Amino acid sequence: DIQMTQSPSSLSASVGDRVTITCRASRSVGTNLNWYQQKPGKVPKVLIYAASSLQSGVPSRFSGGGSGTYFTLTISSLQPEDFATYYCQQSYSTPHTFGQGTEVEFK
Amino acid sequence: EVQLVESGGGLVQPGGSLRLSCAASGFTFADYAMHWVRQAPGKGLDWVSAVSWNSGNRAYADSVNGRFTISRDNAKNSLFLQMNSLTSEDTAFYYCAKADRGEVPSDHLDHWGQGTLVTVSS
Repeated sequence: DIQMTQSPSSLSASVGDRVTITCRASRSVGTNLNWYQQKPGKVPKVLIYAASSLQSGVPSRFSGGGSGTYFTLTISSLQPEDFATYYCQQSYSTPHTFGQGTEVEFK
Repeated sequence: EVQLVESGGGLVQPGGSLRLSCAASGFTFADYAMHWVRQAPGKGLDWVSAVSWNSGNRAYADSVNGRFTISRDNAKNSLFLQMNSLTSEDTAFYYCAKADRGEVPSDHLDHWGQGTLVTVSS
């Protein structure tokens, strides 16, 4: 199975900050990497798919990059509604493993 | 509008069984792979299982392989998860999710249900 490791596990940031979350795969997943956002008490929502494609309706301040084993999710200017937990997931092979999550907290 | 509504969760004793259902609407169910993802209270997302559009390909997490069975009924726009030999480690919210394509491995999960809670306890 492919293991997904996110860093950091949590971070504190302020509105307007640029935030970057990383995700590493235990072996190459090509660009078959997705990012989800989950707010407390809510269902996960896809932000980025295929490593860098923005899901329809997602603000352009979110961007994704990387390929192979190293990926990033960047929020260019953090907004109040962005405080949430973010998960990466590989869809290269089953099981479609998730990272452990990164909680973005208010500083 | 895509809607996914899970049902069938509840309290079950260790070693027991439960069958989850997911009723889909708002899209051509038969065209898309479907997944189950779970989340223990306060924990992260845990991928469980997936089935391709025509049930030709099914996949499971190691932790449930041999105990859980995923199935679908395209005529009834429904997804199922039969869970046997349940342990406390299976306690979680179980979400059904729609993939963006028909095959497994799939791509991203573009719609999620609200989840149903399974509690395994004596």
